[in-house]
Amino acid sequence: AQKVTQAQTEISVVEKEDVTLDCVYETRDTTYYLFWYKQPPSGELVFLIRRNSFDEQNEISGRYSWNFQKSTSSFNFTITASQVVDSAVYFCALSEVTGANNLFFGTGTRLTVIP
Amino acid sequence: DAGVIQSPRHEVTEMGQEVTLRCKPISGHDYLFWYRQTMMRGLELLIYFNNNVPIDDSGMPEDRFSAKMPNASFSTLKIQPSEPRDSAVYFCASSSPERGNEQFFGPGTRLTVL
Repeated sequence: AQKVTQAQTEISVVEKEDVTLDCVYETRDTTYYLFWYKQPPSGELVFLIRRNSFDEQNEISGRYSWNFQKSTSSFNFTITASQVVDSAVYFCALSEVTGANNLFFGTGTRLTVIP
Repeated sequence: DAGVIQSPRHEVTEMGQEVTLRCKPISGHDYLFWYRQTMMRGLELLIYFNNNVPIDDSGMPEDRFSAKMPNASFSTLKIQPSEPRDSAVYFCASSSPERGNEQFFGPGTRLTVL
């Protein structure tokens, strides 16, 4: 069965600090996709990244970076030099690669960046 | 493209009334998903369609919930009769295998049942 665990319910940091959001997943599939979505206070779900399970290269996009470690079933998300606009709930999710591609979401981590 | 469109954005109704939520997926996407988000249960999948055909409705809470997709550009989620515990934000999302299962979400419908 698919399962995504985001153990950090809430995190608060002061602006300009770095912060890492943890994500641990479980799946029996050998290939799968991992995702991060952002849900700002306005409520919409914004896609941030998709990672295929056979691509373990870390990815950096501006202040955002993702560390995928298949050995520990983790897909952690780091925000460097956090800003107030980063305040949101962040969801990690997992899906199959073939056939049904519904997303299995974690419970989310609420990040508050204090000015 | 306009993205996934949902209507209404907000709905307030009284217990026992019928509620219909609407979704227009992104053109060309052949998967459509309905999710519900509550504080208690987080984001949960209710049902999804592939090429207008319901594939998995195991997440639909009970018979009061029904979903249809009469064509590739329109889907509805209906609750009849509505109950206070149905109060939640309902999201519609669409995707295409050509985009690597990336799901694009609509803005959601916030439903309040009094």
